[in-house]
Amino acid sequence: KNQVEQSPQSLIILEGKNCTLQCNYTVSPFSNLRWYKQDTGRGPVSLTIMTFSENTKSNGRYTATLDADTKQSSLHITASQLSDSASYICVVSANFGNEKLTFGTGTRLTIIP
Amino acid sequence: EAQVTQNPRYLITVTGKKLTVTCSQNMNHEYMSWYRQDPGLGLRQIYYSMNVEVTDKGDVPEGYKVSRKEKRNFPLILESPSPNQTSLYFCASSLSNPGYSNQPQHFGDGTRLSIL
Repeated sequence: KNQVEQSPQSLIILEGKNCTLQCNYTVSPFSNLRWYKQDTGRGPVSLTIMTFSENTKSNGRYTATLDADTKQSSLHITASQLSDSASYICVVSANFGNEKLTFGTGTRLTIIP
Repeated sequence: EAQVTQNPRYLITVTGKKLTVTCSQNMNHEYMSWYRQDPGLGLRQIYYSMNVEVTDKGDVPEGYKVSRKEKRNFPLILESPSPNQTSLYFCASSLSNPGYSNQPQHFGDGTRLSIL
């Protein structure tokens, strides 16, 4: 069964610190991996999309890495800001010929001043 | 501004009373999808549409209907809502199937449904 597991479930860090969120998946055959940011009361917003051949992608202070061999991805946030407080969702796509996205349950990140 | 608009944002209703949640996108996207989000579970797909008049079941389609008569609109219909359909619902659109393309999905801001 295709699964996406994220860790930690929740994380609290001080403003200005860095943090790394983890995503492990068992989805196969792999097509792409996405990271989304979901603010409270809002829909998810795309941060990065990576295919099999990409092992790193950045979007401002957000950097995602992908190791397709170990089926692991991480999202690194640099110099965190209060506005980074949100849930971060990892989504993996399996290529069955139609859409098959498997969503993780997310990591709830809280930045405190 | 490019956006996906859902209405209503909040709804409390009773078991069995038919309801429709509308979804509209202004980006000329071919692909649209409905998800539900429940505590402790990831987003789960209800239905999706590859293009006008083309719809298909996702992972949890029971109790729901959809239609795609125009490219921009993709309403979600609950013919006879039940309490287990109490959830947070999201509509999403993308230029093409995100399953095997690198196109980002754009999500609406959600509709919180409570079925009593």
